[in-house]
Formats: sequence, C-alpha cells, structure tokens
Amino acid sequence: AQSVTQLDSHVSVSEGTPVLLRCNYSSSYSPSLFWYVQHPNKGLQLLLKYTSAATLVKGINGFEAEFKKSETSFHLTKPSAHMSDAAEYFCDLTTSGTYKYIFGTGTRLKVLA
Amino acid sequence: DVKVTQSSRYLVKRTGEKVFLECVQDMDHENMFWYRQDPGLGLRLIYFSYDVKMKEKGDIPEGYSVSREKKERFSLILESASTNQTSMYLCASSGGQGIFNEQYFGPGTRLTVT
Repeated sequence: AQSVTQLDSHVSVSEGTPVLLRCNYSSSYSPSLFWYVQHPNKGLQLLLKYTSAATLVKGINGFEAEFKKSETSFHLTKPSAHMSDAAEYFCDLTTSGTYKYIFGTGTRLKVLA
Repeated sequence: DVKVTQSSRYLVKRTGEKVFLECVQDMDHENMFWYRQDPGLGLRLIYFSYDVKMKEKGDIPEGYSVSREKKERFSLILESASTNQTSMYLCASSGGQGIFNEQYFGPGTRLTVT
C-alpha cells in the first residue's frame, strides 16, 4: 500500500535560518513525489516534483528536495527562511497504474522575526 | 496562466439541503479531482474523473456524488448536507495519463453546514 508521512505537524524557524520539512513515503512501485505550499485561504501551489530523473530537485522560491530511495524520504529544505515562507506544506505521492495522489497531513511552517 | 476556478469561496447551507460545488479548468486537462481538507487530516480524495462522464470513488465518497458532462467542468454534489460535511473543499486538475504530472488547484470553497 502507498502512504505518505509528514513527520512534523508544526515547525518554527527564525528568519534567515535553514528550513527542513520531513516527508517519508511507502510505495511498492516507483513513485513520483511532489511538494505543495498552501498560503492562508489559498489553494495549493506546486513547489517542486520528483519524477525519477535527478534525485536532487530544485523548486521555486529557493526550495529543494532530495529523493533518497534507501531512506524512503523526500525532505524539503531551504537554506534561509523568509517571512513569506510561513504557510502549510504538503508532501504528495503518486505511482504508476493509478490516478490517485496521496497527501501527507501537512506541516505548518512558522517563521519568527 | 493556468486556472482552476471554483464557484464560491464561502458557502453556508442548512442541514438536509442539496449542495452543488462547481469547478472549471481552462487547461484542457483530462483528470479532475475533488478533495476535502480538514485540520490535521491533510487532503482526502472524495472523487476523481479521468475523462468526460467517467468517475471513480476516492477514499471518502460517502454522502457525495459528482458529475462531469463537459471536459472543463467537474461538479461535486452533496445530496443531503450534514454538519460533518463542514469543511474546505478543493478542486484540482492534471493533464495526461502519466504519473509525472502535477495537480493544479482551485482556491477552495469553505462550506459550513448548520
């Protein structure tokens, strides 16, 4: 069975410090993985995606994520947090043979001035 | 710029009412999805459609139905609204048959059932 686990429901960082949002997945097949961001009262916006090409994926707004098959992880990082990064972040999994996307429960990022 | 629009941002309905949530995409996407989002539960798939007039149940279809008569439009129907259907509803679309395609989301409809 496929599943996604976001290990932290809330993360707080100071402005200018690194961000790490953790995502582990379980899949019997080769996965595609996505990170989305949701600002208050908005829909989800794609940050980046992994589709079996490069394992280090760069996204918008300085975010990147590394696919580690041995650890079944796809953690999201950013070297320096900005106040505008405060939002909720969702990790998402899909696999071949299905139209379904499986979302994690989300991580709310707080950025302190 | 790609667009997924939802008919209402906020909706208040009474228990037992029939509720229609409309979603339109302008990207000629084959696939469309309805999710509900609740705090601490993430996004849960209600129904999806991979072609006109085709629909598939997601993880929580009970109490909901859908309609897709045209490629660009996907409607979610609450046959008899109940208070436990108070939630944020998100529509999304994606193109093609492959698994590499991201979803594009609408802004959401916050439904309150009283």
